[in-house]
Amino acid sequence: QVQLQESGPGLVKPSETLSLTCTVSGGSISSYYWSWIRQPAGKGLEWIGRIYTSGSTNYNPSLKSRVTMSVDTSKNQFSLKLSSVTAADTAVYYCARAEYDSSGYYLDYWGQGTLVTVSS
Amino acid sequence: SYVLTQPPSVSVAPGKTARITCGGNNIGSKSVHWYQQKPGQAPVLVIYYDSDRPSGIPERFSGSNSGNTATLTISRVEAGDEADYYCQVWDSSSDHPRVVFGGGTKLTVL
Repeated sequence: QVQLQESGPGLVKPSETLSLTCTVSGGSISSYYWSWIRQPAGKGLEWIGRIYTSGSTNYNPSLKSRVTMSVDTSKNQFSLKLSSVTAADTAVYYCARAEYDSSGYYLDYWGQGTLVTVSS
Repeated sequence: SYVLTQPPSVSVAPGKTARITCGGNNIGSKSVHWYQQKPGQAPVLVIYYDSDRPSGIPERFSGSNSGNTATLTISRVEAGDEADYYCQVWDSSSDHPRVVFGGGTKLTVL
């Protein structure tokens, strides 16, 4: 059974960079797309972006200028960096595995989520 | 950009059938996926590719997709089905392909 676990600071200061890592266990990180999704308290899901194990990425245009994703196949991990954060970036951040082909793209395994608060 | 529209809330009595809609321009030409999210928990995939169920998801959950509306149907609703439900598509129509989520529907079991 594939399991994902987010890790990183729960508190980030305004204007600084949010950094999170997702560790995948129970399966290989190779040959899959991996996504980050976030959810502000009481609100809906927002897709941040995805990365393939080759390093190819797609980002949400609304966040593209501030997002960087990377993957480390040797550690079965992938990471998210979001720069110049503000209070609006306060949310629960989820990592997830994606199944993808020409017909569609869906998220079949999710991490439990980690709350990141932006505050001084 | 592509927009998915869901009703904010749906209410249903136990044992009845709940239908949650997801509207989008010609959504029938896309594959729609549905997630269930209970309070304090991560989303769980309940329907993929319009109508397929992952292993472990009860047969009471079904999906359909045609025209401008996709529908998640939950038959014989139970108290444990109370949750937020999100539809999702992959929008590859622009230079910036992306995942699009609907705004979510809160299912209340009366």
